[in-house]
Amino acid sequence: DARVTQTPRHKVTEMGQEVTMRCQPILGHNTVFWYRQTMMQGLELLAYFRNRAPLDDSGMPKDRFSAEMPDATLATLKIQPSEPRDSAVYFCASGSPTGDGYTFGSGTRLTVV
Amino acid sequence: GQQLNQSPQSMFIQEGEDVSMNCTSSSIFNTWLWYKQDPGEGPVLLIALYKAGELTSNGRLTAQFGITRKDSFLNISASIPSDVGIYFCAGQAQGAQKLVFGQGTRLTINP
Repeated sequence: DARVTQTPRHKVTEMGQEVTMRCQPILGHNTVFWYRQTMMQGLELLAYFRNRAPLDDSGMPKDRFSAEMPDATLATLKIQPSEPRDSAVYFCASGSPTGDGYTFGSGTRLTVV
Repeated sequence: GQQLNQSPQSMFIQEGEDVSMNCTSSSIFNTWLWYKQDPGEGPVLLIALYKAGELTSNGRLTAQFGITRKDSFLNISASIPSDVGIYFCAGQAQGAQKLVFGQGTRLTINP
């Protein structure tokens, strides 16, 4: 089965540290999304890319968050410096050019202490 | 911005019962999707709907795309223990890439 791979699965870090989360989209998928999930806010869209170009990152706090796609097989989400309120599960999802739904990864559970 | 209201927020049912949940929107969507999330995993696509009025089944799951294009429902018949999880609706507007998600319905099944 084709799947979206996210690393790491879990990350515990101290406040102020840099955090980098990685995502390998499904081969052939040209759209990549980053979502954040918390109990209070549910699933929030942070940013997404199409054909590696950023289309919308309005959901992302710009001062500390950055998202990139250095190549078609890798998307990264970086937080610098991290804060306790960033604790959440971060999901990457990828979509095919035909647009028939998106496939989510298993997520990165981030805890900032 | 676009918002989806999903209800109920949680359901506690007996095994074997049927389940119904729905989503409504303040704006029109061209695609409705239903996802299920198991603990510790990402949401998994259950059913995709592309046309107003469309009724689609996937095993014991049935979903419909509302005629107004502002709502959708998901039914699960004869629930079993593995149906436990959080169900999310998601809408996609015409020409948009991103999905707007509902807040989820948490389903708990008593054996």
